[in-house]
Amino acid sequence: AQSVTQLDSHVSVSEGTPVLLRCNYSSSYSPSLFWYVQHPNKGLQLLLKYTSAATLVKGINGFEAEFKKSETSFHLTKPSAHMSDAAEYFCVVSDRGKLSFGAGTTVTVRA
Amino acid sequence: EAQVTQNPRYLITVTGKKLTVTCSQNMNHEYMSWYRQDPGLGLRQIYYSMNVEVTDKGDVPEGYKVSRKEKRNFPLILESPSPNQTSLYFCASSVGFSGANVLTFGAGSRLTVL
Repeated sequence: AQSVTQLDSHVSVSEGTPVLLRCNYSSSYSPSLFWYVQHPNKGLQLLLKYTSAATLVKGINGFEAEFKKSETSFHLTKPSAHMSDAAEYFCVVSDRGKLSFGAGTTVTVRA
Repeated sequence: EAQVTQNPRYLITVTGKKLTVTCSQNMNHEYMSWYRQDPGLGLRQIYYSMNVEVTDKGDVPEGYKVSRKEKRNFPLILESPSPNQTSLYFCASSVGFSGANVLTFGAGSRLTVL
């Protein structure tokens, strides 16, 4: 069985400061891992994905994530938050058609 | 434009009245799936389909049915809706069912069961 734990339900940052969203996963196999973002009243949009290539993955809008197998983690970071980053973020593990989502982290950006 | 289209976007219904939420994609994707989103729980997979006439249960299939008679369509059927099925529902599709494939999501269908 696979599962995803997002360690923070809510993160608040000031504009221009770094953002860190933490994700731990469990999977019996070598999973694919994703981060999706959901802006208010919108569907989900892919930020980035890991599929057993480079462990540091770069995504859209300046986000990146590092896959650490030994820690079973896939944390998402951005060096400098922008007001438009205010949204809900989901970490996802995928294995052969079955997907598991984390509970989500809501990011608030203060001016 | 490549997209996943869900209808209706908003629906209020009463307990026991059968309803169908339609989902259609125009990308010739093999894989389609349904999720429900509830506060604090993230998205949970209801059913998924790896191809026409091939469907399988996700994590929360109770109270739902699906069918995949055509590649482009994957309707979600609630035979006898109950208030605990009040939720935001998303349909998604991808090229294949490899874990590496990226999902394209519909805009969501907000269902209220009274």
